[in-house]
Amino acid sequence: GENVEQHPSTLSVQEGDSAVIKCTYSDSASNYFPWYKQELGKGPQLIIDIRSNVGEKKDQRIAVTLNKTAKHFSLHITETQPEDSAVYFCAASKGRRDKIIFGKGTRLHILP
Amino acid sequence: EAQVTQNPRYLITVTGKKLTVTCSQNMNHEYMSWYRQDPGLGLRQIYYSMNVEVTDKGDVPEGYKVSRKEKRNFPLILESPSPNQTSLYFCASSKYRGPGEKLFFGSGTQLSVL
Repeated sequence: GENVEQHPSTLSVQEGDSAVIKCTYSDSASNYFPWYKQELGKGPQLIIDIRSNVGEKKDQRIAVTLNKTAKHFSLHITETQPEDSAVYFCAASKGRRDKIIFGKGTRLHILP
Repeated sequence: EAQVTQNPRYLITVTGKKLTVTCSQNMNHEYMSWYRQDPGLGLRQIYYSMNVEVTDKGDVPEGYKVSRKEKRNFPLILESPSPNQTSLYFCASSKYRGPGEKLFFGSGTQLSVL
């Protein structure tokens, strides 16, 4: 079955710098890759997603890139701010009615 | 407001004492699911439901039961809780299961089994 590996498990960056979180997936049939952000005391919330027919997607300070050949995708956060501190989960899924597989999460700390 | 509501937020219990964690969504979603979150293990699916009266096991179903008698509710039942079920639990829902379907999560239930 599908396996999603996420790195790093913890990441600390200075406020204003960029942060990059990387994920790899095993099933080449996967075609949908969402990213969820979990703030302290809350449930995960979808922040951005990308489909396999697109190489990059941006939404203000966050962007996701996808390399189908290498089977990896990344989350990029630019000009990081204190409110970016959270746990981030990548995920992958394929055909309709197939389940979503989550990575183990990355705890991002934004240092003042 | 569209939301998934879980109760309780915090629960401390003793081994063997049956408990139920409730989950309700107000978005008329067909798909609902339970996850547990443990340090270093991420989100693991316990059970899911594709629609009313349709439930199936996820990756870690042992020790749990669910039911889906109504579309909006999906309670998680621990018939005889054990300490290894101490965890943070999340209920989630989406319109359907599949690519492109945004999952809406509840705020979580922190369970401690002594």
